[in-house]
Amino acid sequence: AQSVTQPDIHITVSEGASLELRCNYSYGATPYLFWYVQSPGQGLQLLLKYFSGDTLVQGIKGFEAEFKRSQSSFNLRKPSVHWSDAAEYFCAVGDTGGFKTIFGAGTRLFVKA
Amino acid sequence: GAVVSQHPSWVICKSGTSVKIECRSLDFQATTMFWYRQFPKQSLMLMATSNEGSKATYEQGVEKDKFLINHASLTLSTLTVTSAHPEDSSFYICSERGNRSEQYFGPGTRLTVT
Repeated sequence: AQSVTQPDIHITVSEGASLELRCNYSYGATPYLFWYVQSPGQGLQLLLKYFSGDTLVQGIKGFEAEFKRSQSSFNLRKPSVHWSDAAEYFCAVGDTGGFKTIFGAGTRLFVKA
Repeated sequence: GAVVSQHPSWVICKSGTSVKIECRSLDFQATTMFWYRQFPKQSLMLMATSNEGSKATYEQGVEKDKFLINHASLTLSTLTVTSAHPEDSSFYICSERGNRSEQYFGPGTRLTVT
């Protein structure tokens, strides 16, 4: 069965520091992979997506993610975090054969000055 | 990406009443839309898949008679919480599916049942 694991419930980084949010998935084939961001009281916004091809994916707001098949991972990175990046981040796996998307539990990012 | 709106953004209702939440696709004809529920500090829980012109597909454990979903057009899906109770208080989010299962989310509706 498909599953998504985000090992870190919350992470705190200093403004200007680099960021890496971890995501591991379980899926029988190459999945569609996504990262979404949710600000408090808001819906989710798609940051980036991986379908195939280049394993390093660029997204909006300076984020990138790398698909590593051998590790079943799709970690999100940003070289320099801004205070406005404080939010909840969800990794997700899309079912390539159907419609459903499985979301991880989320990682809350805190940014300190 | 697609733009999805929800209305209302926040609603308070009394226990026993019904509340309708609208989800509109503003720039895309969405044959499939999803309804999620999110509890504080938790991930999204898929409630149902809304299919235009046909009955919604509900996830296990979701009461279809309590959470009525209608998807009468390609741009509008509605979720009606019938006979609402305080335990139905939650954040409800809809989304529409893109071409490769990416999703575009509405801003969410916070329901408080008193």
